Amino acid sequence: QSVLTQPPSVSGAPGQRVTISCTGSSSNIGAGYDVHWYQLLPGTAPKLLIYVNRIRPSGVPDRFSGSKSGTSASLTITALLAEDEADYYCQSYDSRLPGHVVFGGGTKLTVL
Amino acid sequence: HVTLKESGPALVKPTQTLTLTCSISGFSLTTNQMRVSWIRQPPGKALEWLARIDWDDDKFYSTSLKTRLTISKDTSRNQVVLTMTNMDPVDTATYYCARHNDSSGPFDYWGQGTLVTVSS
Repeated sequence: QSVLTQPPSVSGAPGQRVTISCTGSSSNIGAGYDVHWYQLLPGTAPKLLIYVNRIRPSGVPDRFSGSKSGTSASLTITALLAEDEADYYCQSYDSRLPGHVVFGGGTKLTVL
Repeated sequence: HVTLKESGPALVKPTQTLTLTCSISGFSLTTNQMRVSWIRQPPGKALEWLARIDWDDDKFYSTSLKTRLTISKDTSRNQVVLTMTNMDPVDTATYYCARHNDSSGPFDYWGQGTLVTVSS
């Protein structure tokens, strides 16, 4: 059971928009810790997609955006492409566990 | 150019001790605020954070695995080493090392990962 809760799967057709939620609690996201998002493609290293809730690293298309409110965060992907099909994970920290990272359970995005 | 690369055995037997090495380049673990963590992903399952070592040699461990893990660094060789004792088939996973440089920041660089299978 992951500390951060994500939907196991989401799907969308090419060109559509999808949103992946990441729900935490008052000891992690709600405590003010930033949320970061990663994209995992088979056989490749995880890629930082969004950091500090909404910032895109250089090279990440602006089709990817993030937000945070209260005890939750979300990743939105617009204008879906087939290459976006991947696993997505949110990550934050938890005040109950100093220095300890927490991940979401991951969400499989299927591009129909 | 920042890189991290994991190395270690691909196969270990149950009850054995696993030793993994993360070789880093393009940055130094002597730099203020620099940190390296180990993270694993069992097949078909979620990412799981295991341990972290900081530039000042502070160390943190997953609560559930704390008794089995040891993390250390050799700054002269630019390496971070993770040992995990009493390996079990449920420890079969891809093991990653990753860099972060803030106490609540993201993992900005990851290694490619190394698959470790635990089987007799």
